[in-house]
Amino acid sequence: SQKIEQNSEALNIQEGKTATLTCNYTNYSPAYLQWYRQDPGRGPVFLLLIRENEKEKRKERLKVTFDTTLKQSLFHITASQPADSATYLCALDDNYGQNFVFGPGTRLSVLP
Amino acid sequence: EAGVAQSPRYKIIEKRQSVAFWCNPISGHATLYWYQQILGQGPKLLIQFQNNGVVDDSQLPKDRFSAERLKGVDSTLKIQPAKLEDSAVYLCASSSPGTSPYEQYFGPGTRLTVT
Repeated sequence: SQKIEQNSEALNIQEGKTATLTCNYTNYSPAYLQWYRQDPGRGPVFLLLIRENEKEKRKERLKVTFDTTLKQSLFHITASQPADSATYLCALDDNYGQNFVFGPGTRLSVLP
Repeated sequence: EAGVAQSPRYKIIEKRQSVAFWCNPISGHATLYWYQQILGQGPKLLIQFQNNGVVDDSQLPKDRFSAERLKGVDSTLKIQPAKLEDSAVYLCASSSPGTSPYEQYFGPGTRLTVT
């Protein structure tokens, strides 16, 4: 069956450290994988998109990797700050812009 | 640029009643999505429109849920009759292939409580 999983429900790290979140999927062949941030009571906000033929993408303190062999994406936040505390969702499309599927999310808490 | 607008923000109804949610996407965005997000879970796609046509409604419970986007702009999602398990946040999102493809812009959501 098709499944998308994120490594843990919650992750606590110390300010200044690098947070690493994992997204694994089975029985999908996504052309794209996306990461979103969601704060309580608000809709998700797009962060990064990585294509199947890209290994790595960076944006400021954020880095995403995509390994289609392992069927895994890693999302890194370097020099983390308390303001980075939020739920992070990975999402993939199963049919070139259709059939979007979101993972359950990882709640990140950056402790001062 | 104005974001995705949704109303109402909150709604409480009894089971077996009907309810409707409204969404106005970002101007010029051809693609509109409705998601259901149950507490503690990721959003689940219910229906995707391209202009006023349906692209994907495979996960829409069609016996009770309906959605329309008649003029290719704003959209309405209806539940009739509601069940307790429909309690969730209903998110609307839009995207435009002219900008970053598949980057979705979400509204604030409508929190539905069915009692």
